[in-house]
Amino acid sequence: TQLLEQSPQFLSIQEGENLTVYCNSSSVFSSLQWYRQEPGEGPVLLVTVVTGGEVKKLKRLTFQFGDARKDSSLHITAAQPGDTGLYLCAGAWNSGYSTLTFGKGTMLLVSP
Amino acid sequence: NAGVMQNPRHLVRRRGQEARLRCSPMKGHSHVYWYRQLPEEGLKFMVYLQKENIIDESGMPKERFSAEFPKEGPSILRIQQVVRGDSAAYFCASSSGTGVRSNQPQHFGDGTRLSIL
Repeated sequence: TQLLEQSPQFLSIQEGENLTVYCNSSSVFSSLQWYRQEPGEGPVLLVTVVTGGEVKKLKRLTFQFGDARKDSSLHITAAQPGDTGLYLCAGAWNSGYSTLTFGKGTMLLVSP
Repeated sequence: NAGVMQNPRHLVRRRGQEARLRCSPMKGHSHVYWYRQLPEEGLKFMVYLQKENIIDESGMPKERFSAEFPKEGPSILRIQQVVRGDSAAYFCASSSGTGVRSNQPQHFGDGTRLSIL
């Protein structure tokens, strides 16, 4: 069974601070996706990474995929209250089709 | 709204009743995935379907749960003889194809919250 560990589990910061959340596995991913989920809603896709060492930027969010494709990080610069939510990483290990295994998520609270 | 549509948003059932959850994928998507989310747990994969075919049901409980994605109409997740432990949020996702190294990510609906009395 492939497991995906996310850390930290909870993070409470002030507006303007920077933060990094992590997603780790002992297995090699075929691809990895980051989602954000708000209460009462479904996960919303932020990014997909597929190549080891890949870095993708989405405004103030920077996503990095480890060289060995076993880990990933999400860095947020100058966090804003609108960034509050549950950040989920999801990995696919089967190159034949893309069913996803999710981590438990990092709950981020950004206070004004 | 061209997104993944799930209904109902909230469903209350008594123990022993049947629950039917519906999912209409995004336009042009023929791949549907069902996940279950319990409090304090992550999303757990249940089943992956293409039109009229179940591709992977390795996450489905062996009894009482079934899923279909007919040629016409939405995908249905059916839970027979519900028990309290079935209370959860059930999410559907769709994609335009498969192949994890391609740009065919899964897009999620807003879920059905199932409560069992």
